[in-house]
Amino acid sequence: QSALTQPRSVSGSPGQSVTISCTGTSSDVGGYDYVSWYQQHPGKAPKLMIYDVGKRPSGVPDRFSGSKSGNTASLTISGLQAEDEADYYCSSYAGTYRFRVFGGGTKLTVL
Amino acid sequence: QVQLQESGPGLVKPSETLSLTCAVTGGSVSSGSSYWSWIRQPPGKELEWIGYISYSGSTKYNPSLNSRVTIFVDTSKKQFSLILSSVTAADTAVYYCARDVQIIGRSYYFDYWGQGTLVTVSS
Repeated sequence: QSALTQPRSVSGSPGQSVTISCTGTSSDVGGYDYVSWYQQHPGKAPKLMIYDVGKRPSGVPDRFSGSKSGNTASLTISGLQAEDEADYYCSSYAGTYRFRVFGGGTKLTVL
Repeated sequence: QVQLQESGPGLVKPSETLSLTCAVTGGSVSSGSSYWSWIRQPPGKELEWIGYISYSGSTKYNPSLNSRVTIFVDTSKKQFSLILSSVTAADTAVYYCARDVQIIGRSYYFDYWGQGTLVTVSS
């Protein structure tokens, strides 16, 4: 069982928006503004898409945005494109003992 | 641009020791405020943080693996390494090294990742 809970799959048509949730506890997601999101295409290394809840690294399209409410963080992808089809993982800082935790991953299908 | 590349045996026997190295280019493993992590992903499963080593040589490990893990750095060779002892089939995974951004009280994330290397534990 993953430390953070994500839906196993989401889907959307090109041009639509989708939101992927990441639910933790007050000891991780809810306790710190250090949620990050990673995109992983099959056989490839994960790529940082969002950090510190809602910040975008240079080079990541502004179609990707992040937010948080309570113990749940969300990744929203607007204007879906075929190349967005991938697995998405959330991660959170979890304090000095557990330190870093990940979600189980969500498979995004672009219909 | 920081680049990381994992290397090591792809097959390890049960009860033996797994040893991997991550070569870093475009950055220094010993530069101030740099942290370097190992993360793994069993086939079809989620990512799991294994541990990190800092620019000063301090380490922190996942509590679930703590007794079996060692991470060390070789600054002269610009690389850091992972040692995992007493492996079982459950340790079969793709192992990634990553630069771990830690700004205490401000920021925690992994910004650069290696391509990953599959390690299979089997006799």
